[in-house]
Amino acid sequence: AQSVTQLDSHVSVSEGTPVLLRCNYSSSYSPSLFWYVQHPNKGLQLLLKYTSAATLVKGINGFEAEFKKSETSFHLTKPSAHMSDAAEYFCVVSGRAGRRALTFGSGTRLQVQP
Amino acid sequence: GAVVSQHPSWVICKSGTSVKIECRSLDFQATTMFWYRQFPKQSLMLMATSNEGSKATYEQGVEKDKFLINHASLTLSTLTVTSAHPEDSSFYICSAIRTSGSEDTQYFGPGTRLTVL
Repeated sequence: AQSVTQLDSHVSVSEGTPVLLRCNYSSSYSPSLFWYVQHPNKGLQLLLKYTSAATLVKGINGFEAEFKKSETSFHLTKPSAHMSDAAEYFCVVSGRAGRRALTFGSGTRLQVQP
Repeated sequence: GAVVSQHPSWVICKSGTSVKIECRSLDFQATTMFWYRQFPKQSLMLMATSNEGSKATYEQGVEKDKFLINHASLTLSTLTVTSAHPEDSSFYICSAIRTSGSEDTQYFGPGTRLTVL
């Protein structure tokens, strides 16, 4: 079985400062990992995904994440927060090969202060 | 990018009635779709896997007779909440798998908010 733990339920940053959203995963096999963002009243949008290629993954809107197997982590970062980044972020792990359902973390609400 | 739609976006119904939610992949075919449920301020929980032309696979604890899933075509899956009760009020989100070469990408619909009075 696989699982993800998002270490912070809520993160607040000032506009223009770095963003760090933390995620640890547990998996008995090589996982695929994702970060999704959910804006209010909108669908989930894929930010980036890791599928065993480069460990540093660049996504949309300036976000990136680094897969660290030794730490079982997949933290999401952005150098400079923008007001439009305020949303709910989910760290997600995929099922084993052949079972593509996703297991979602509990989510981190990012608040960006002006 | 690929688009997945859901209809309706919100619905209010009386306790005991049934509600059907549609999930469509608009610009690609999807043999596999998923249905998730999200309670307020909580994460998404997988309810079932919808496979075109075959029976859905339900997660443990999800009543298959209450949440009927039909995946009759490669672009449409429906979730019917039968005899709805207030505890079924939730945000229901579908997703569809788009396969490109050897890579699968999951695209999500915008969700349907169900309120059972």
